[in-house]
Amino acid sequence: QVQLQESGPGLVKPSQTLSLTCTVSGGSISSGSYYWSWIRQPAGKGLEWIGRIYTSGSTNYNPSLKSRVTISVDTSKNQFSLKLSSVTAADTAVYYCARAVGIRWFDPWGQGTLVTVSS
Amino acid sequence: QSVLTQPPSVSGAPGQRVTISCTGSSSNIGAGYDVHWYQQLPGTAPKLLIYGNSNRPSGVPDRFSGSKSGTSASLAITGLQAEDEADYYCQSYDSSLSGYYVFGTGTKVTVL
Repeated sequence: QVQLQESGPGLVKPSQTLSLTCTVSGGSISSGSYYWSWIRQPAGKGLEWIGRIYTSGSTNYNPSLKSRVTISVDTSKNQFSLKLSSVTAADTAVYYCARAVGIRWFDPWGQGTLVTVSS
Repeated sequence: QSVLTQPPSVSGAPGQRVTISCTGSSSNIGAGYDVHWYQQLPGTAPKLLIYGNSNRPSGVPDRFSGSKSGTSASLAITGLQAEDEADYYCQSYDSSLSGYYVFGTGTKVTVL
């Protein structure tokens, strides 16, 4: 059974770059027609899709974040990563990684990691 | 920026039936994209509850059911139980701009 686990700094200074990694276990990140996504949730608020990557390296991003987001994949490590540049307090949220079945549903999800943007 | 609209909260007594609506537009639900539902218990990650409008993953009780019509979808919980108290989100895909996944605003279900 595939499991996902986020990792990375829990505190990032304003204007800096947020970097997170999602490690996939229980299966190969390259198998199947899956897209690997990042989703975030500010405290007490709803879910926002950030972007996705296919194992070929093809990416798609949320138009509202596109100018600041880079998602990459390392198939040798069974990982994919998120970089969000020029962060502000508005980027403080729990960040989840998840597997997407095409343009359909997300399953499974990682447990999430809280990233706080503060000086 | 939630594109799908849900009621902020719904409540019901144990054993009752509650429904949650999810309203979209012609570029997402109305365009024929499927709707999926997630349950988020306090302090945990969202969990897939309904996929492809009305299908339940293995292990999800049949008390949960989903439907879709036009530009809207609904999640129904029958025989409400205390453990159903959680936040529920709908999700679909939007074809505007370059295409992206969209979530609902979320609904808090309270068991009275």
